[in-house]
Amino acid sequence: ETGVTQSPTHLIKTRGQQVTLRCSSQSGHNTVSWYQQALGQGPQFIFQYYREEENGRGNFPPRFSGLQFPNYSSELNVNALELDDSALYLCASSRVDREGGSGYTFGSGTRLTVV
Amino acid sequence: TQLLEQSPQFLSIQEGENLTVYCNSSSVFSSLQWYRQEPGEGPVLLVTVVTGGEVKKLKRLTFQFGDARKDSSLHITAAQPGDTGLYLCAGYHTDKLIFGTGTRLQVFP
Repeated sequence: ETGVTQSPTHLIKTRGQQVTLRCSSQSGHNTVSWYQQALGQGPQFIFQYYREEENGRGNFPPRFSGLQFPNYSSELNVNALELDDSALYLCASSRVDREGGSGYTFGSGTRLTVV
Repeated sequence: TQLLEQSPQFLSIQEGENLTVYCNSSSVFSSLQWYRQEPGEGPVLLVTVVTGGEVKKLKRLTFQFGDARKDSSLHITAAQPGDTGLYLCAGYHTDKLIFGTGTRLQVFP
């Protein structure tokens, strides 16, 4: 089975620009969660998508938005980039069904630097 | 305010030493997980503890879930340089996986 793939691996953007990060979920998984991780800290929950709809959101402003596609892949969009948005962005997929949820599988992340 | 607080934040020790990392919360969790993350990689699940008081062992790593299911600890015996990394506890809160503040461990040969 394939794992979680994120692209790009590294990205440099200028303050005020917009960015789109992509994530392909693990085969058989239907839920995608996005996290922001500052250097040396624990990942902060941004939001989760299930059945192409946002299914929970952390303490992030509306300029952080996302999409989930019918094949369960996902995008994270960030508008009006700020310097503090520089971080490692992690995507995790899992499977949720009537019996409950599976564990999370994480991608290797996208390192975003805003200058 | 962090739901899961870890201590210490940083730990730098010599090979062969023992260490304990703590994960504390004022909330009750149905289960807690421990992850290890290396630079440039995503977190990798080490263990899930479910029952209050549960103890799980993974080679030199011992994980314990508090009786009240509000805290957990990770004990490493005879640490090795390969144990170096960021250790994260995590729990489900309103069905979303929430991470602790992290403990960065450096083991010197």
